[in-house]
Amino acid sequence: DAKTTQPPSMDCAEGRAANLPCNHSTISGNEYVYWYRQIHSQGPQYIIHGLKNNETNEMASLIITEDRKSSTLILPHATLRDTAVYYCIVPLTGGGNKLTFGTGTQLKVEL
Amino acid sequence: KAGVTQTPRYLIKTRGQQVTLSCSPISGHRSVSWYQQTPGQGLQFLFEYFSETQRNKGNFPGRFSGRQFSNSRSEMNVSTLELGDSALYLCASSLGGTMNTEAFFGQGTRLTVV
Repeated sequence: DAKTTQPPSMDCAEGRAANLPCNHSTISGNEYVYWYRQIHSQGPQYIIHGLKNNETNEMASLIITEDRKSSTLILPHATLRDTAVYYCIVPLTGGGNKLTFGTGTQLKVEL
Repeated sequence: KAGVTQTPRYLIKTRGQQVTLSCSPISGHRSVSWYQQTPGQGLQFLFEYFSETQRNKGNFPGRFSGRQFSNSRSEMNVSTLELGDSALYLCASSLGGTMNTEAFFGQGTRLTVV
């Protein structure tokens, strides 16, 4: 799996956009970027994934730079329930469904 | 659509015993992966099963094993339990195939070894 680097923690005010960065400079051309989050004591939750185009779903938006070496997960209007650890993962293509979790970013949303 | 079901939710075992954990994936999903989560090591991949065959394996001792049944349900077994095996064990269900697809996790089984 391509190595990813994320800041250990971030804070965000409720109602504001939360922008979580991830560096994946060793990503290969056919490898996707996946984002998951884990709310305390629960199983991780899939958020979004993308290859090279920006993606949006009901939970978040994913912005991938043109050189694909970094990406940003955007939660447009963060709420207290978005407080969680966010993981950026680049799994090996064709390697099945093995996910290598790093330490992620602890996002704390405050009033 | 039912989610991923793991049983039991909580378990207390004694050192030296063995334990079996169960995971029922989402209907139609053929891939089941297992992960161990501890405060010190974080989330670590144990193994993945697809169509009853182990497709990927993490760096865990042979005391950790698993299997998958024809209905895609999976079990993992830990023999000769050690105190360090105390952890949250998570199961993830995916459609499968050769391309990565999104994984859906269960709530986990909290194992405590005393």
